Amino acid sequence: EVQLVESGGGLVQPGRSLRLSCAASGFKFDDYAMHWVRQAPGKGLEWVSGISWNSGRIGYADSVKGRFTISRDNAKNSLYLQMNSLRAEDTALYYCAKGLMVVVTRGFDIWGQGTMVTVSS
Amino acid sequence: QSVLTQPPSASGTPGQRVTISCSGSSSDIGSNYVYWYQQLPGTAPKLLIYRNNQRPSGVPDRFSGSKSGTSASLAISGLRSEDEADYYCASWDDSLSGWVFGGGTKLTVL
Repeated sequence: EVQLVESGGGLVQPGRSLRLSCAASGFKFDDYAMHWVRQAPGKGLEWVSGISWNSGRIGYADSVKGRFTISRDNAKNSLYLQMNSLRAEDTALYYCAKGLMVVVTRGFDIWGQGTMVTVSS
Repeated sequence: QSVLTQPPSASGTPGQRVTISCSGSSSDIGSNYVYWYQQLPGTAPKLLIYRNNQRPSGVPDRFSGSKSGTSASLAISGLRSEDEADYYCASWDDSLSGWVFGGGTKLTVL
């Protein structure tokens, strides 16, 4: 069974950092791009970042560019999101999503259950 | 404000056919595939349609997608109470070099 399990969320003060992790199982991890998508409470979906199968192509939403860094470890079947200089508007449920192909431009199919990040003093 | 435009709400009675529209531009829908996601209350989104009109295995053929120019539509026929959910369209945007979503459409089954 294909499964994505996020972790690392929590309550953090503005300006601080947090690192999210996503553990993948049930599929050949290095055959697919991976993404982070977030959803603020009561709001819609917002793509945050995506990374190709070999980390050769990485993209970020303008709202997080320069503050967030996506990475992956294919040997550990894991995806990460390093979040620095956090702001109140980064408060959201962060989903890890599996890409449909090796490249980041072909959509995502499987989603994890999400990990909640709350930025507040 | 979302890059892709969807109606905030839609409704229908059981058995009816409803459609949800998604409007974009030449840099997103106009030159890339459209994907549709269903989000049931309190759950993670689920892929409903990929590459404009393809259904993943397990998705009933009551769900269908189409695309024309810079717009796309999701149609749900034989509406059921369990279809009550939020529906999102998504597409890659060449200008932004990133994914864009519609604001979501809340479907109510009356």
